[in-house]
Amino acid sequence: ETGVTQTPRHLVMGMTNKKSLKCEQHLGHNAMYWYKQSAKKPLELMFVYSLEERVENNSVPSRFSPECPNSSHLFLHLHTLQPEDSALYLCASSQGLAGVSYEQYFGPGTRLTVT
Amino acid sequence: AQSVAQPEDQVNVAEGNPLTVKCTYSVSGNPYLFWYVQYPNRGLQFLLKYITGDNLVKGSYGFEAEFNKSQTSFHLKKPSALVSDSALYFCAVRDIINYQLIWGAGTKLIIKP
Repeated sequence: ETGVTQTPRHLVMGMTNKKSLKCEQHLGHNAMYWYKQSAKKPLELMFVYSLEERVENNSVPSRFSPECPNSSHLFLHLHTLQPEDSALYLCASSQGLAGVSYEQYFGPGTRLTVT
Repeated sequence: AQSVAQPEDQVNVAEGNPLTVKCTYSVSGNPYLFWYVQYPNRGLQFLLKYITGDNLVKGSYGFEAEFNKSQTSFHLKKPSALVSDSALYFCAVRDIINYQLIWGAGTKLIIKP
């Protein structure tokens, strides 16, 4: 596979469940990101990892827990979510930190529904 | 405060006509500006960026954008629209404080045959 892949593509979970989102990039990039996308709102940056070190955590609730075991893989662990957490979760990667000048490459996203 | 505005929620254009998707920004210092496109059920794809140099930037799929410092704008343009250009378009600017991207809310572009 090429580019950035995300699994699962769709996830329905109850508020008491624990689940994980997986992202894998095949581009040899050094930075990876989790975003939350809600309809008609700007993308919300959740976490940034550069060379496997977390460099940003934008006041995300602790019910979201990221993990970056190596530069190619990124996970988002979910537990005791709320209905307002329902959204499209996008993973992205870039050669370096995107805010410098590098463009980001996005996966197709995981559509999460919390019931 | 640093920000990006996409003033139009939706833009409708007839196929073959020129299209413009607007973006204005507010940042301190020199802006780094980006355009991304999102097709249905897909992630975002990079279209083009302005870092420095020529104010007119050319990107993928025949799109271009013009950086206008005096108007703090970075509008996306294409001379002749295709139905396949129908998608959601996002403008973003670098936040010079923490080097993250600040995103606009997106503009839905609809090209009618």
